[in-house]
Amino acid sequence: DQQVKQNSPSLSVQEGRISILNCDYTNSMFDYFLWYKKYPAEGPTFLISISSIKDKNEDGRFTVFLNKSAKHLSLHIVPSQPGDSAVYFCAAASGGSYIPTFGRGTSLIVHP
Amino acid sequence: EAGVTQSPTHLIKTRGQQATLRCSPISGHTSVYWYQQALGLGLQFLLWYDEGEERNRGNFPPRFSGRQFPNYSSELNVNALELEDSALYLCASSRQGAYNEQFFGPGTRLTVL
Repeated sequence: DQQVKQNSPSLSVQEGRISILNCDYTNSMFDYFLWYKKYPAEGPTFLISISSIKDKNEDGRFTVFLNKSAKHLSLHIVPSQPGDSAVYFCAAASGGSYIPTFGRGTSLIVHP
Repeated sequence: EAGVTQSPTHLIKTRGQQATLRCSPISGHTSVYWYQQALGLGLQFLLWYDEGEERNRGNFPPRFSGRQFPNYSSELNVNALELEDSALYLCASSRQGAYNEQFFGPGTRLTVL
């Protein structure tokens, strides 16, 4: 049973537009959420995180929003750039489990 | 600063054989994590080592095992390989206790024929 779900396997966006990647979770014990980006032939790299005490965290072009009541988080990339084309993994963790649980990833393609 | 390194890059084995994958963490990191990423799936947690001890284990059979050496490098061993073990195996490292700040290596692509 997937505790972290990324229901869109892929997303295509025009350069300069906003990319919105979504993630849902089922475990109410999760209190820390992360997004990783993965290029082909490379390992995932940490992008941005958010604690459950916040509902928004911003870092440059990347913003993560957390809706605890809906058990939903989203990653916004504005403006999108071709170099953002990668697979994005959502992950969630709790103080009890220590190890993040990952979603299956969403492949983002940003067209020039 | 060197990142997490893994070897080999690719590994081809046949069913029933054993595979050994290696990982060197970032200098100063004492925790090493292993993940399996099968085609179309997310990262599935395998094992976590810290200070030479196994701290946690994912939902994988006992034929998946590993160890951490005094220099904090780590080995993942997969015995009695099955076709479904074909996957990308990722290693990550972190400072002790910083399990939410994992740095990943490029992975080892294991193919079982």
